[in-house]
Amino acid sequence: NAGVTQTPKFQVLKTGQSMTLQCAQDMNHEYMSWYRQDPGMGLRLIHYSVGAGITDQGEVPNGYNVSRSTTEDFPLRLLSAAPSQTSVYFCASSYSRLPTGELFFGEGSRLTVL
Amino acid sequence: AQKITQTQPGMFVQEKEAVTLDCTYDTSDQSYGLFWYKQPSSGEMIFLIYQGSYDEQNATEGRYSLNFQKARKSANLVISASQLGDSAMYFCAMRELLVNNAGNMLTFGGGTRLMVKP
Repeated sequence: NAGVTQTPKFQVLKTGQSMTLQCAQDMNHEYMSWYRQDPGMGLRLIHYSVGAGITDQGEVPNGYNVSRSTTEDFPLRLLSAAPSQTSVYFCASSYSRLPTGELFFGEGSRLTVL
Repeated sequence: AQKITQTQPGMFVQEKEAVTLDCTYDTSDQSYGLFWYKQPSSGEMIFLIYQGSYDEQNATEGRYSLNFQKARKSANLVISASQLGDSAMYFCAMRELLVNNAGNMLTFGGGTRLMVKP
């Protein structure tokens, strides 16, 4: 089972460049979300989606856009990369929006902005 | 106030011994989930164990058990018979509905770095 797949695993950008982190899940999960993890810290919610066509902001949404055109895919776009966006990004999915039940994580995408 | 507090930044345990990692949480919601994740040096987030707020029995998964004390708002992770491969960062997390009830958010503690000594 593929589970949650993130690409790329590593990326280096220059300040001002844009890029898209891809996330796909094959578990038919309605709920998907993006988190970022800064060094030595836990994860913080960037954006989430409760189903195709529905997205909303999390705790730290500035500088990021998302879309959900299909149930499977939930890409995260960095519009104009800044050094403060250097982080490890995790995509996660779950069966529903309810707070109970397991949350499945991708392996993470390490982004460095110079 | 911190939502999730892990008071042990680092811990050592002797191989084959049991260890308890502390976690306290703060919420006014009735429905929430408590999770423990392991993050080895390779960086991936590995799910270990889950406890729902309405679950009366403590969760167990192999060598992992969660000591859930709802009145005290604590959710400590117990690892029995520690192995060298258990050396990693451990995160306690709580999942709650967002204020808009449309989504949920997993809030993480600061983590505990566990080091298993041979």
